[in-house]
Amino acid sequence: KQEVTQIPAALSVPEGENLVLNCSFTDSAIYNLQWFRQDPGKGLTSLLLIQSSQREQTSGRLNASLDKSSGRSTLYIAASQPGDSATYLCAVRRNDYKLSFGAGTTVTVRA
Amino acid sequence: EAQVTQNPRYLITVTGKKLTVTCSQNMNHEYMSWYRQDPGLGLRQIYYSMNVEVTDKGDVPEGYKVSRKEKRNFPLILESPSPNQTSLYFCASSYGTGGIHLHFGNGTRLTVT
Repeated sequence: KQEVTQIPAALSVPEGENLVLNCSFTDSAIYNLQWFRQDPGKGLTSLLLIQSSQREQTSGRLNASLDKSSGRSTLYIAASQPGDSATYLCAVRRNDYKLSFGAGTTVTVRA
Repeated sequence: EAQVTQNPRYLITVTGKKLTVTCSQNMNHEYMSWYRQDPGLGLRQIYYSMNVEVTDKGDVPEGYKVSRKEKRNFPLILESPSPNQTSLYFCASSYGTGGIHLHFGNGTRLTVT
């Protein structure tokens, strides 16, 4: 069974600092990996999707990398802003089409 | 507007009283799925469907049923709810079977007393 871990569980940084969020998974036989953002009381919003054949994806200030062999993905958010405060979750799509989520990292960006 | 709609948003019920949480999407997506979110455990997949009349179990299917009679709808049925099914439930959909971004509903908070 795929286990997905996100460390740390919570993170607080001053505005302007770069954010580094980690996601690790136990089974490297994955179809893709997605990063999501969740705001309180809301559903999840997809941020970036990396196919298993890719090494990274970028969207604006966000960059996600994938190292399948070591079972790791990292989400980088450059020049953080208070509006980036949210919970960030990674999810691994296995080759059997099932999806496994990490518990998330709650980010607070202090103004 | 492209969206996944879940109803109701909040539901309080008693043990053993059958209930249905509805999920509807207007994007003609093939893939739909249900998740529960519990503190410290993240989201866990309950059931998923890759197209009409095609459903399969996720990691935590016990105590739940689903059906996919139409492409746009994917209801979650709790035949005999128990307190351990108190949770926040999310429905999601996407094109194909895994290559496209998932779209999530806003969630249903269920309390079973």
